[in-house]
Amino acid sequence: GAGVSQSPRYKVTKRGQDVALRCDPISGHVSLYWYRQALGQGPEFLTYFNYEAQQDKSGLPNDRFSAERPEGSISTLTIQRTEQRDSAMYRCASSTGGSNTEAFFGQGTRLTVV
Amino acid sequence: GENVEQHPSTLSVQEGDSAVIKCTYSDSASNYFPWYKQELGKGPQLIIDIRSNVGEKKDQRIAVTLNKTAKHFSLHITETQPEDSAVYFCAASNDYKLSFGAGTTVTVRA
Repeated sequence: GAGVSQSPRYKVTKRGQDVALRCDPISGHVSLYWYRQALGQGPEFLTYFNYEAQQDKSGLPNDRFSAERPEGSISTLTIQRTEQRDSAMYRCASSTGGSNTEAFFGQGTRLTVV
Repeated sequence: GENVEQHPSTLSVQEGDSAVIKCTYSDSASNYFPWYKQELGKGPQLIIDIRSNVGEKKDQRIAVTLNKTAKHFSLHITETQPEDSAVYFCAASNDYKLSFGAGTTVTVRA
C-alpha cells in the first residue's frame, strides 16, 4: 500500500478482554515501531522490530503487552486482560532501516476499554 | 532516558505572521531531531529534520535550528497560512527510538 495501514481504526473492548492490533508497514520497510499516544501528548515508544527480530521492547508497560512480527512484515500488538488505563491511540510506524531514518506513521488504532 | 520538553503548548498567529516552537532535550547523545505535523484524524507526518552535524536547515517556509551546547532546537514557520494549523511535535533520537515532546497546537487566524 501507499502508507502504513493499521486495523481496526477503532476498538471498544470490555475490561478484562484481550485485544490484537494489526500493523501493515510500507512495503520493503525493514524497521517497525509501535508507539502509544495519550490525548494531548506526543507518541511514546513501546517496541521496535528490525525485520522479524524484536530488538527493543523496553517501552512495553508490563507483561500484558506483547508484540510480534513473525515474517518481518505485518506486526501485531496484543494486550491481554485489558484495563481502562490501556485506553489510548496506538500508532505503528515503519522505516527503511538504519539509524535515524524517517519514520512513517499510520493513522493509528483508537482503543477504548470500558 | 531522553526527556524532550516543548513550548508553547498552544500558539495562535495571524495569517502571514511567523510561528516559533522551541524544544529542549536532555540526552547529549541524541543526534537526530525531526519535527512532525499531525492533522486531525491523521498520523504524524515528518515535515523537516536536522542532524547534529548542522546548525540550521531550511525548506521553503520552514526552518529548524539546533544548538547542541544548550541542547535546544526550534521550528520556525514563516508567512503562515491556514493550512499550517495543526499539532506539531518535536522529537529527539540517537538511533531508532524517537522521544517526542508533548506537542504544540498551532492555529492560524485568517
